[in-house]
Amino acid sequence: QVQLVQSGAEVKKPGASVKVSCKASGYTFTGYYMHWVRQAPGQGLEWMGWINPDSGGTKYAEKFQDRVTMTRDTSISTAYMELSRLRSDDTAVYYCARGRWKAADIDHWGQGALVIVSS
Amino acid sequence: EIVLTQSPATLSLSPGERATLSCRASQSVSNYLAWYQQKPGQTPRLLIYDASNRATGIPARFSGSGSGTDFTLTISSLEPEDFAVYYCQQRSNWRLTFGGGTKVEIK
Repeated sequence: QVQLVQSGAEVKKPGASVKVSCKASGYTFTGYYMHWVRQAPGQGLEWMGWINPDSGGTKYAEKFQDRVTMTRDTSISTAYMELSRLRSDDTAVYYCARGRWKAADIDHWGQGALVIVSS
Repeated sequence: EIVLTQSPATLSLSPGERATLSCRASQSVSNYLAWYQQKPGQTPRLLIYDASNRATGIPARFSGSGSGTDFTLTISSLEPEDFAVYYCQQRSNWRLTFGGGTKVEIK
């Protein structure tokens, strides 16, 4: 069965960076795009971008264009999302999520990684 | 960026009633519209993709319709497990955005 297992919770100071990992299993990692979506406490879903694990190609939401980097390591079926210059309003649960077909929509989600930004 | 506006923000209904949720896009997204359900403490679940196609394992009481800028998710008869938050999502030009969500609560 499809599983996306993410790294654990992190506490960061404003201005720092965070890198979240997402290990995929149960399917061909390079066959499906990987999205990153975040959800602030009590708030809705916010799409950050996707990576094509096969080519390494990415597309980011304009809001995060200058602060986010999505990468992957196909040898270990793992995707990464790094967010820099953290602010307090970046406090959220960060999800990796598999694209159902290309980058169309999302059929499987990781368990989420809580990132707290606090001085 | 395409903005999705969901209405109402909260829908108070009883089990067995029909739920009608709306999602309006700021510009046409063709039929590139999906719906998700999220329960407290859980990850979202894909219900509908491409406006009207039910995802794997989704009961027939969930249906989606619409195209262009106006979309509807209908739950024909609410079951107790359907009380949750519902989000729409579009994928124009392969950039996704989500709506703000509609909470379906027990009346």
